[in-house]
Amino acid sequence: QLVLTQSPSASASLGASVKLTCTLSSGHNNYAIAWHQQQPEKGPRYLMKLNTDGSHTKGDGIPDRFSGSNSGAERYLTISSLQSEDEADYYCQTWGTGINWVFGGGTKLTVL
Amino acid sequence: EVQLVESGGGLVQPGRSLRLSCAASGFTFDDYAMHWVRQAPGKGLEWVSGISWNSVTTDYADSVKGRFTISRDNAKNSLYLQMNSLRTEDTALYYCAKGGANSGYYYGHFDYWGQGTLVTVSS
Repeated sequence: QLVLTQSPSASASLGASVKLTCTLSSGHNNYAIAWHQQQPEKGPRYLMKLNTDGSHTKGDGIPDRFSGSNSGAERYLTISSLQSEDEADYYCQTWGTGINWVFGGGTKLTVL
Repeated sequence: EVQLVESGGGLVQPGRSLRLSCAASGFTFDDYAMHWVRQAPGKGLEWVSGISWNSVTTDYADSVKGRFTISRDNAKNSLYLQMNSLRTEDTALYYCAKGGANSGYYYGHFDYWGQGTLVTVSS
């Protein structure tokens, strides 16, 4: 069974950078993922699809401050030049035959 | 501009039924798989059900299998979720989401979301 693990919380200062991690369970290193942002009291917003080769495809209007990368079973979302509106919950998602669609538990990002 | 607008939520007693709708616009609806995702109060996202562009393939989370039915009407650019035998644990905000995979592909990420419709199951 494929599980996506995310730290429950993270924090960083205004203007700084933060790197959020999504870890694929053992034996599932070759899955692409997507990152979604959910600001308070809003529906989720697609940020990007992160492919296994490290390339990523962003959603409409997603600024360059958001980027993605991989290392083994870990998938990262890096947000640079943090702004107050980046304070949100961030979810990773994957999919595939036999697993359908799976979300990580989410990381609550606090901008200090 | 892609828009997904959910409706049909409300307060319902355990064991009763409810039908959710999602009106889609701004893209070629019958080119893409569509999904329902829910979020219980204070919790994370849970995929509920998906349907292929031509309705041939449907899938369900184990938690709703046998009780929920997903369907779509491509002529009306609409997605539906029929929810029967509702339980208190089905209480959640239900989101409609568009599949992001290229035309005809079933599996893939979600690239647009609605704002959700709230379903509360309580006696």
